[in-house]
This record gives sequence, C-alpha cells and structure tokens, in this order.
Amino acid sequence: GAGVSQTPSNKVTEKGKYVELRCDPISGHTALYWYRQSLGQGPEFLIYFQGTGAADDSGLPNDRFFAVRPEGSVSTLKIQRTERGDSAVYLCASKSQNSGANVLTFGAGSRLTVL
Amino acid sequence: SQKIEQNSEALNIQEGKTATLTCNYTNYSPAYLQWYRQDPGRGPVFLLLIRENEKEKRKERLKVTFDTTLKQSLFHITASQPADSATYLCALDGAAGNKLTFGGGTRVLVKP
Repeated sequence: GAGVSQTPSNKVTEKGKYVELRCDPISGHTALYWYRQSLGQGPEFLIYFQGTGAADDSGLPNDRFFAVRPEGSVSTLKIQRTERGDSAVYLCASKSQNSGANVLTFGAGSRLTVL
Repeated sequence: SQKIEQNSEALNIQEGKTATLTCNYTNYSPAYLQWYRQDPGRGPVFLLLIRENEKEKRKERLKVTFDTTLKQSLFHITASQPADSATYLCALDGAAGNKLTFGGGTRVLVKP
C-alpha cells in the first residue's frame, strides 16, 4: 500500500480481555516496528521484525504481549489479559531494507483504551 | 541505559521568529540522530537525519546541528509559521539492525 495502515484506529476493551492490533506495512518493506506511546510521551520501542522473525523484542513489557509476522508483511500485536496500564496508542512503522539509517514510516496508530 | 532528554515544556513562539529545540542524550553513541514531527492523532513523520560525523544539516527552513562531544542536537525552525505547530521528537539511531529510540518530544506552538 501507499502507507502504513493500522487497524483498528480505536479499540475500547474491558480489563482482562484479549486484544489484537493489526499493521499492514508499506509493500516491500522488510523491517517492521511496534512502538507504544502514552499521552505526552515519546514512542517507546516494543519489538522489531526483520522479515518473519523478531530481531529484537526487548521492549515487550511482559509475557502478556506478543507479536507475529508470519508471512513477512502484515503483523499482529496481541495483548492478553489487558490491564488499565496498557491504555496507549500503539504505533507501527516500517522501513525499507535499502537504508543504513533506520528512517521509519509510521502508521496513524491504534488507540487502545482499557476500562 | 541510554537516556534522551527533550524539553517537556511547550515552546510558544511568535510567527516569523526562530524556534530552537534541544535534544540531549547520555550513555550512547548513535550513528545518526533523527528528528520527527508529530501532529495530534497522527504517527510521527520523518523530517531530517544527521550523521555522527556531520556538524550541521539543512532542509528548507529547518536546520539541525549535532555535537557528539556535548551529546546534544539542536533543531531550528526559521521564519516559523502557525503550520509548524506540532510536537517534535528526536531519536537516536544506532544504524541498521538497531531500534530507534525516541525522546519525549517538545510541543511547539507558533502564534500568528
């Protein structure tokens, strides 16, 4: 696609529920990143995929968070047993392979609210 | 661990003046330093990057400096316009294979 697409744009859920957030990166971009942004803060790194594999998942806060990218394009961020503290905007970004610097193209984000 | 600091206070500036934002970092030697713009409800948008061996970079009304001794980057918006009002994020870039680490951002409000 022309840009990075994220769905849903807004998700309201209850504490304890399971949530999936989807990211469709720019076609041909091999690297895909997930960030989390709380109000008034900068984006906080969660996980980075190179192709189908997670190259760095050091930012995932705990084992309730999991992300997959089975075919090397679309990625899904999965959050189990959601907590109120998980409320944030979840940003996805992708990057072309042909770049030494990590210049990222972001989607508009998925705003998650846990009641 | 690496730490990035941007002024969390909003910068209010009169149209036509130069806005100057600061990004300080510790415990890291990035290969690049990047600046992004973020509007409300949108994802960050890349503006400029500067390499560790560059002192200054310009793009239209934007200028970035990078002092690896001071571990500081300055971001300037000259002849500012109300349309420049946004949050500006700096990010440390360790180059390919590394994640991009963001500062907390500085909100700029340009008044007509």
